[in-house]
Amino acid sequence: KQEVTQIPAALSVPEGENLVLNCSFTDSAIYNLQWFRQDPGKGLTSLLLIQSSQREQTSGRLNASLDKSSGRSTLYIAASQPGDSATYLCAVHMDSNYQLIWGAGTKLIIKP
Amino acid sequence: DVKVTQSSRYLVKRTGEKVFLECVQDMDHENMFWYRQDPGLGLRLIYFSYDVKMKEKGDIPEGYSVSREKKERFSLILESASTNQTSMYLCASSTRSGPTDTQYFGPGTRLTVL
Repeated sequence: KQEVTQIPAALSVPEGENLVLNCSFTDSAIYNLQWFRQDPGKGLTSLLLIQSSQREQTSGRLNASLDKSSGRSTLYIAASQPGDSATYLCAVHMDSNYQLIWGAGTKLIIKP
Repeated sequence: DVKVTQSSRYLVKRTGEKVFLECVQDMDHENMFWYRQDPGLGLRLIYFSYDVKMKEKGDIPEGYSVSREKKERFSLILESASTNQTSMYLCASSTRSGPTDTQYFGPGTRLTVL
């Protein structure tokens, strides 16, 4: 059974730093992996989606990488800003299945 | 702008009450989902629907039922609410073209059962 883990559960860094969030999964037979952001009291917003055949995706200051063989993905945030403070979740789609398997998230705080 | 709305942001109910959570999407999406989110556990799928009147159990369907009479509306029903159903409930929708399509989420309903 697929399990998705995000470590650490919480992270606090000063503004301006580059940072990396981690996501690991136990079954490498994934269809894609997505990173989402959740702000307090709000729903989730999709940030990046990486297909199983891709190695990385970029959007602005965000870069997500995928290493299927090792069961790992990272979300790199460059030049962090207080507005980046949120909970970041990763989720994987297994082959031919509409279900997403979710990590528990990393709560990120960027200190001004 | 895509939109998924949920009927309530906060809800307080008593044990044993029947509870309805409503979700409406305006994107003409085929798929709709109900999740619950608990601290340290991430999102867990309760039910999903890939068409009107169709439903599939997710990972934790016990104690819940769903209804999808119209394409845009997906309801989650707690037949007899219990304290262990206190949680954040999130609704999402997506197109049917495949797993490459992302899910769009509503703002969530925080349900407290006393």
